[in-house]
Amino acid sequence: GAVVSQHPSRVICKSGTSVKIECRSLDFQATTMFWYRQFPKQSLMLMATSNEGSKATYEQGVEKDKFLINHASLTLSTLTVTSAHPEDSSFYICSASARGRRYNEQFFGPGTRLTVL
Amino acid sequence: AQSVAQPEDQVNVAEGNPLTVKCTYSVSGNPYLFWYVQYPNRGLQFLLKYITGDNLVKGSYGFEAEFNKSQTSFHLKKPSALVSDSALYFCAVSKAAGNKLTFGGGTRVLVKP
Repeated sequence: GAVVSQHPSRVICKSGTSVKIECRSLDFQATTMFWYRQFPKQSLMLMATSNEGSKATYEQGVEKDKFLINHASLTLSTLTVTSAHPEDSSFYICSASARGRRYNEQFFGPGTRLTVL
Repeated sequence: AQSVAQPEDQVNVAEGNPLTVKCTYSVSGNPYLFWYVQYPNRGLQFLLKYITGDNLVKGSYGFEAEFNKSQTSFHLKKPSALVSDSALYFCAVSKAAGNKLTFGGGTRVLVKP
């Protein structure tokens, strides 16, 4: 149990386009979903926290208008990178915190590799 | 503010030898501590966690970690390392259930045959 999927696993796009990444909790309802980005050989940096049905809370330094997060249901959150530029190229990982599970621990998706040309 | 330090960028160990990956943390109140492993181009896999109770926590794949409150440490250990344990290991802390995690910088483990 507690499986989180991400789609797509890999995406290449042109500069200026928008890219949507989906994060789904497959076998549980996620109270909260988190979005991280990871640069090569670096740690995970939290970008934002989203709760179902409410606006996401962004970490300091993360542009809200550039990284749009929608948590429309208890099993789906989306991250849209708007007007992507090469510096947005990164590995994006989501995690989900399970409602009702003890200690509300986070379960991580497999990640999405974004390359902006 | 909460923080995690993993003082070693890389740990090299021979197969069959004990493996230790160090982690120290800073958080107000009682910590929730986690270890994750990441293989190339993959997400994070959960290894173990400390929430409360026994200071020695046993996790997946033969890993264990010891919570030391006085030293604010949560070192990851494995008695006998395997080549397949070669990966990137992250220690993380949060200060409450369901709260955001703060990750350490990661430690790359290389187990040589």
